[in-house]
Amino acid sequence: AQTVTQSQPEMSVQEAETVTLSCTYDTSESDYYLFWYKQPPSRQMILVIRQEAYKQQNATENRFSVNFQKAAKSFSLKISDSQLGDAAMYFCAYRTLRAEYGNKLVFGAGTILRVKS
Amino acid sequence: ETGVTQSPTHLIKTRGQQVTLRCSSQSGHNTVSWYQQALGQGPQFIFQYYREEENGRGNFPPRFSGLQFPNYSSELNVNALELDDSALYLCASRGRGESSYNEQFFGPGTRLTVL
Repeated sequence: AQTVTQSQPEMSVQEAETVTLSCTYDTSESDYYLFWYKQPPSRQMILVIRQEAYKQQNATENRFSVNFQKAAKSFSLKISDSQLGDAAMYFCAYRTLRAEYGNKLVFGAGTILRVKS
Repeated sequence: ETGVTQSPTHLIKTRGQQVTLRCSSQSGHNTVSWYQQALGQGPQFIFQYYREEENGRGNFPPRFSGLQFPNYSSELNVNALELDDSALYLCASRGRGESSYNEQFFGPGTRLTVL
């Protein structure tokens, strides 16, 4: 079974600075998807960024980028120019390509990100 | 705003009771998944419905059951509630298409408290 580990329960960053959230995962599969989701106090889970395992190029979405190290099974999220609106719980998630598991996402325990003004 | 809605927002039940939670998927989405998120933890997959049939289930007992309707709305039913069932329940819907890369859109969740 796949597992996702987020070793940082809480992180803080000064507004306008850069922060990196860590995620490691365990799988025996070679093809899969990885995601970072943001969950603000409103509770609505929002997709931040996604990465296909077969792609070597790291995904980027505006101020958000990932460092995907497939051999090390590591998938960290970098947030540049942090803004107050980035404060939220961040979840790393894994999804297999195997059809019998459908859309099942395996989530980590989450990292609370606090942004200081 | 993702277009996925859930009702009710909050719910309080007592141990042993039954509860039904509802999810209205984004228009055109034919797949819905349900997750349980205990306080301070990541969401755990309960099950998924596609075209009104369950086609994937996590490690949850049979007292967790669901339905998906022709209009792609969905229900999560939990019988014989236990204290540990207290959690945020999220539904997520996914659009059509062959690509399994299609994004899932989450609703805001229902906060269930079991006393």
